[in-house]
Amino acid sequence: DIQMTQSPSILSASVGDRVTITCRASQSINSWLAWYVQKPGKSPKLLIYKASKLKSGVPARFSGSGSGTEFTLNISSLQPDDFAIYYCQQHSSRSPTFGQGTKVEIK
Amino acid sequence: EVQLVESGGALVQPGGSLRLSCVTSGFVFSSFEMNWVRQAPGKGLEWLSYINNRGTTKYYADSVKGRFTVSRDNAKNSLYLQMNSLRAEDTAVYFCARDPATGEFDFWGQGTLVTVSS
Repeated sequence: DIQMTQSPSILSASVGDRVTITCRASQSINSWLAWYVQKPGKSPKLLIYKASKLKSGVPARFSGSGSGTEFTLNISSLQPDDFAIYYCQQHSSRSPTFGQGTKVEIK
Repeated sequence: EVQLVESGGALVQPGGSLRLSCVTSGFVFSSFEMNWVRQAPGKGLEWLSYINNRGTTKYYADSVKGRFTVSRDNAKNSLYLQMNSLRAEDTAVYFCARDPATGEFDFWGQGTLVTVSS
């Protein structure tokens, strides 16, 4: 299976900060990477697919980049609603795998 | 509005069985691939199973292969997960998720809790 590693595991930030989360794949996944956000007690929600494509309705402060084995999720100006856990997921193989998650908490 | 609603979660003893359902609405169910994903308490997300739109192709994670079976009924807009030989480590919230054929999961249900304990 392809292993996905996110960093950092916990990120402390303030409203208005620019935030970057990194996701690394154990082998090349081209651009087959998605990002999700999950709030406590809720199901995950898709933010970005195919590394950089923003899902319809997702605010433009979210962006994704990367290809091959290294990817980033950027939030240009952190909003109160953005404090949550973020997961990356490779959808290159028919055995999708997720990163362990990055918790974005209030500084 | 796309909706996915899971049900069937319960407390079950080790070795027992359970069938989860995911009823969908707001889209043409028969046109979409579907998946099951679970999340153990306080842990991350684990993909479990995939089924194509016609139900003819299925994939499973090694952790559930041979114990879990995915199926669907397109006439009822429903997805199922039959879970047998349940273990304590299967305790989790189980989500169904829609797959627009490119592998990401664009809509998720709210989840149903399965607890395996004696």
